[in-house]
Amino acid sequence: EVQVVESGGGLVQPGGSLRLSCAASEFTFSNHWMSWVRQAPGKGLEWVAHINQDGSEKYHVDSVKGRFTISRDNAKNSLYLQMNSLRAEDTAVYYCARDPHRGGDLDFWGPGTLVTVSS
Amino acid sequence: DIVMTQSPDSLAVSLGERATINCKSSQSVLYTSNNKNHLAWYQQRSGQPPKLLIYWASTRESGVPDRFSGSGSGTDFTLTISSLQAEDVAVYFCQQYLTTPRTFGQGTKLEIK
Repeated sequence: EVQVVESGGGLVQPGGSLRLSCAASEFTFSNHWMSWVRQAPGKGLEWVAHINQDGSEKYHVDSVKGRFTISRDNAKNSLYLQMNSLRAEDTAVYYCARDPHRGGDLDFWGPGTLVTVSS
Repeated sequence: DIVMTQSPDSLAVSLGERATINCKSSQSVLYTSNNKNHLAWYQQRSGQPPKLLIYWASTRESGVPDRFSGSGSGTDFTLTISSLQAEDVAVYFCQQYLTTPRTFGQGTKLEIK
């Protein structure tokens, strides 16, 4: 069964850094665009970034541009989100999700990892 | 950016009755090259990640019960649950994937009356 599982969340001080990871299994990871989506406590969904199959194309939402960077390692079936200069408003559950390669919907989501930015 | 607006924000429906959720985009999400609406619907139960229900505005994802249906084109879309079941209590989100950034509606909370 297709699986994506996030890790790396935790408590970090404002201005700090964190690197999230997403381990993918039971599908050909290198064939798929992958995305990060976040959800602040009690709020809606916000798309954060996505990356194409070989990592040559990356897009980030304006609110994280210059601070967050999406990347991938196809040899390790892994997706990453490097988060720098973290702010309180970045506090959220971060989900990794797969694009099934038919336009941009997201068909498999991980359970999420919680990032809390607080002093 | 395309703004997605859902209505209502919350909805209470009796078991077995029809539930209807609307989603409006600030510009058309119809991609003329393939004549498909780049619009998806997701269900998020409490404490769970979102689950894809519908893509291309009206195509049901594999394994999704047929009481869920999507309709609409251009800027106006609807998710319909034909006969509400207890397990359908959740928050429902629409998402456009025509342009980057991908954007979601604010969500509609569906409860049992």
